[in-house]
Amino acid sequence: DTGVSQDPRHKITKRGQNVTFRCDPISEHNRLYWYRQTLGQGPEFLTYFQNEAQLEKSRLLSDRFSAERPKGSFSTLEIQRTEQGDSAMYLCASSPSGASTDTQYFGPGTRLTVL
Amino acid sequence: GQNIDQPTEMTATEGAIVQINCTYQTSGFNGLFWYQQHAGEAPTFLSYNVLDGLEEKGRFSSFLSRSKGYSYLLLKELQMKDSASYLCAVRHQTGANNLFFGTGTRLTVIP
Repeated sequence: DTGVSQDPRHKITKRGQNVTFRCDPISEHNRLYWYRQTLGQGPEFLTYFQNEAQLEKSRLLSDRFSAERPKGSFSTLEIQRTEQGDSAMYLCASSPSGASTDTQYFGPGTRLTVL
Repeated sequence: GQNIDQPTEMTATEGAIVQINCTYQTSGFNGLFWYQQHAGEAPTFLSYNVLDGLEEKGRFSSFLSRSKGYSYLLLKELQMKDSASYLCAVRHQTGANNLFFGTGTRLTVIP
């Protein structure tokens, strides 16, 4: 257990539905990252927050995806109008700051299956 | 652009030593990480290199050569529980400092 928690752990939904995932980072960490991982691949960066500010988004993050971190603590990732290609593991990671030695600690992930 | 290459699968015997190689091309290098990931679980941090040389951490060691764009992870005294995927990741020298991962090497340890 790294101290990063995610909820739910599994989500099955029908195509076209909206889903929302939650991440609770390690409490003193001000950086929070979202990654997506498909079977047999490494995680791919989606977006990151410094405190409550969303400072960078990957081009993988289409306009159907939105992420928030309203008080600089937990974060949510919402996918609207889900598609079968959205099926993946969604991983959250946190780190203390941007120092060169900082390590990102990952949560257990939310596995999304879109039928 | 970025590219990371590592072998897809490796098999090694319990008690032996195994070396997992990783080569990378990236614009803006800010460190190389190795993570272990058991099936269905989160990646867990193993090691970090930002300068050339060897970093040792118990049974695990990691080496970096920035001029060659090359790293390896060395696992000694292999145990059955070491069967997992090993992910090589390069950190970008950007504001986000996000990680760019390879596809991972699935290691199977056999008795």
